[in-house]
Amino acid sequence: AQSVAQPEDQVNVAEGNPLTVKCTYSVSGNPYLFWYVQYPNRGLQFLLKYITGDNLVKGSYGFEAEFNKSQTSFHLKKPSALVSDSALYFCAVTSYDKVIFGPGTSLSVIP
Amino acid sequence: NAGVTQTPKFQVLKTGQSMTLQCAQDMNHEYMSWYRQDPGMGLRLIHYSVGAGITDQGEVPNGYNVSRSTTEDFPLRLLSAAPSQTSVYFCASSYGEGYTFGSGTRLTVV
Repeated sequence: AQSVAQPEDQVNVAEGNPLTVKCTYSVSGNPYLFWYVQYPNRGLQFLLKYITGDNLVKGSYGFEAEFNKSQTSFHLKKPSALVSDSALYFCAVTSYDKVIFGPGTSLSVIP
Repeated sequence: NAGVTQTPKFQVLKTGQSMTLQCAQDMNHEYMSWYRQDPGMGLRLIHYSVGAGITDQGEVPNGYNVSRSTTEDFPLRLLSAAPSQTSVYFCASSYGEGYTFGSGTRLTVV
């Protein structure tokens, strides 16, 4: 079965520290990979994507993500967290005609 | 350029009532989809469409119908609302490499 896992429901990090939000996937073929962010009472906003090429992709708001094909992972990272980064983060993977979302990880950045 | 527009933003229905959630996009995207978001369950795909006249079921299609008569519009119909359909609904459109989401419809079925 095709699936996307985000093993942590909640990630807490101190402001200024690096953050990582984890994502692993199980789909066939060569999927496209995405990260989205959702602020309270808002729709999802696109952060970054991996299609092909360099395994490290850079996106909006200083976020980046590293694609690891052997581990089927696509972890989201930021070198220095901001309080304003506190939100719900979703990993997503395309599979043929469909986009499969992970369950989401709530990120709290503590001042 | 409005992106993806969803209406209404909020709705309360009684069990058994029917209604249509509207979704329109002005980006000429072929791909459109409907998701529901429930706590702890992420986003689950209800129905999707790869172009006008073409629709298909997603992960949780029961109790919902869709149609795609134009590229721009992709309405979601609840046939007979049930409390289990209380959720936040998101419409999204895609050009193939990323999604643009609407701001959501918060539906409560009592």
